[in-house]
Formats: sequence, structure tokens, C-alpha cells
Amino acid sequence: EIVLTQSPGTLSLSPGERATLSCRASQSVSSSYLAWYQQKPGQAPRLVMYDVSSRATGIPDRFSGSGSGTDFTLTISRLEPEDFAVYYCQQYGSSPWAFGQGTKVEIK
Amino acid sequence: EVQLVESGGGLVQPGGSLRLSCAASGFTLSDHYMDWVRQSPGKGLEWVGRTRNKANSYITDYAASVKGRFTISRDDSKNSLYLQMNSLKTEDTAVYYCARALGYCSTTICFAYFDHWGQGTLVTVSS
Repeated sequence: EIVLTQSPGTLSLSPGERATLSCRASQSVSSSYLAWYQQKPGQAPRLVMYDVSSRATGIPDRFSGSGSGTDFTLTISRLEPEDFAVYYCQQYGSSPWAFGQGTKVEIK
Repeated sequence: EVQLVESGGGLVQPGGSLRLSCAASGFTLSDHYMDWVRQSPGKGLEWVGRTRNKANSYITDYAASVKGRFTISRDDSKNSLYLQMNSLKTEDTAVYYCARALGYCSTTICFAYFDHWGQGTLVTVSS
């Protein structure tokens, strides 16, 4: 069973700054089957990225994903007010399909 | 527009049962894999289970924490997904989301991420 560990737990940044979120897997993620989701308070998660680096429909190009094997990164190049939220990574290469514990991006 | 609307949540005593429903619209349910994901209050996301599509014989998979207690079913003619929860425990308290999964599954393997989510329904297990 793959365990995903996200860091940092909380990222305090100002609008316009760059956000770098990390997701580390306990073993290699098959064929780069890794996704990222954004969740705002009281809302359902929203798909941001899939297959490591493919942006979901409607996601702006300030979001980018990278990585392979066990280390993955979600980067937001210039934070906009609507980007402040909790982000979860998820692997779907092997069952059970696990999520990381989340990184909260908060306004500094 | 893809829409998923969950219902059926509520308060139930430990050991009790509850059936959640998810009404799907805006796409052909029989073509898709469908999952349940839960989120305990103030906590992260936990995958609960999946039903594959008609082409893959509606095979189901479950997380170890719910296997043998929870059952996923679907009625494509009614555009509906269900989660039957039996022998409920306090640790099953969570918001339950239905989610459409997109990717590739066969009868033996499955690689799919969640491209659409419902708004969730709260299940509270307490005496």
C-alpha cells in the first residue's frame, strides 16, 4: 500500500508569490498516475492536475505539475486570491487509491 | 454539464445501517467508473470504494476499512449510484462524496482519477 506524505503542512504566502507543494510516495507511483485536488472550506474537492502534469479543464496555466517515481510537485507560479485552499495529492496507480494528508495554502 | 448529487446522510447509531444515493446527470453513467470518497470532520480524504462500468462487468473494489460492511451498487437506468453501509462504527462518521472516475480499467486493474465530485452528504455515527 502506497502512503503519500505532503509537505509542508501549511504554506503562508502573499498573493503574487510562488507556491511549491511537495508530495512524496512511500514507493514508486506506477506510470506517473498522480493527481492533485483543490478544496476550499465547505466545498467538494476539485481536480487540478492528473497524470502528474496535465491540467484539468478550466485550470489556469499558473498551475503546473512535475515529478516522477516517488517525488512530485505542484507549483502555482503567482498566487491569486482564489488559489488559497487545501491541496491534496492522490495516486491511482495501485489499489488502494490513496490521498496525501493535504497542504493548506493560506494568506500571509 | 456533469452533476452529482448525494443524499441519504444523517444520524445513525453504532451498529446501524444507512443507504446513500448519488444522482448523476450530464453524462452516460454506464460508461463510467464511479467511486465513493469520504472525509472525516477536519481530516483528509479517504477512498471508500469503486464500481467499474458496464464494459468491466460492474466489478467493485473496497478499502480494507469498509470491506465486508459497505456495498456499492448502481442502477444505470435510473442514473444512480448507491452506497449501502452496514455495521456502522463511530469512525465511519464523515462527509461522503460520490465521484466520477476517469482513466482506464479492465477487470483486473484500474487506473482512474476523480474528475467530478458531488457536494457530499454527512453521515454521523453516534449513540
